[in-house]
Amino acid sequence: EPEVTQTPSHQVTQMGQEVILRCVPISNHLYFYWYRQILGQKVEFLVSFYNNEISEKSEIFDDQFSVERPDGSNFTLKIRSTKLEDSAMYFCASSLEREYEQYFGPGTRLTVT
Amino acid sequence: EDQVTQSPEALRLQEGESSSLNCSYTVSGLRGLFWYRQDPGKGPEFLFTLYSAGEEKEKERLKATLTKKESFLHITAPKPEDSATYLCAVWGRGSTLGRLYFGRGTQLTVWP
Repeated sequence: EPEVTQTPSHQVTQMGQEVILRCVPISNHLYFYWYRQILGQKVEFLVSFYNNEISEKSEIFDDQFSVERPDGSNFTLKIRSTKLEDSAMYFCASSLEREYEQYFGPGTRLTVT
Repeated sequence: EDQVTQSPEALRLQEGESSSLNCSYTVSGLRGLFWYRQDPGKGPEFLFTLYSAGEEKEKERLKATLTKKESFLHITAPKPEDSATYLCAVWGRGSTLGRLYFGRGTQLTVWP
């Protein structure tokens, strides 16, 4: 069964450093998303991406964040200058159509020290 | 902003003891309501999509229903392997491209 994959599973970085989180969505899906979940809190939407551009972003997704689909399979989230409060699980998701269910990856645990 | 409230926060059931989880929502024009299961340290695993009031979906011991204000996830004769956090998420008319608003989840523990 096709699945969303994410790398790395755990990333430790120092405050102020740049990180890139990587995702491989399900191959025939057209819509891509990033969410995050701070420990013990809700899953929160960050950004949606379709047709090689951002479709929607939340208040969390400020200028420090960017997304890219550098080739036909990868989808990345970059945080330019990490802050302590960026520590969270980051989930990538994809869907075939926007009305359809989103399939989530296993997540990348980001720890900022 | 779309809001999702799930209750109870935690539920402990004995194996075989059926129960229901609740998800109430306020959204301007519901486009879809989604149920997910999340195991500790893992990503949400898709269970059901419901699009309109009156709709029902079933999968093994789980059944999801939808009204105009809330959704229920019914668990019939649960087993210990059903222990997980169950998340409800909604997609409303305010979002053009599938932005989901999640509730905090119900942490279900089923003991033998």
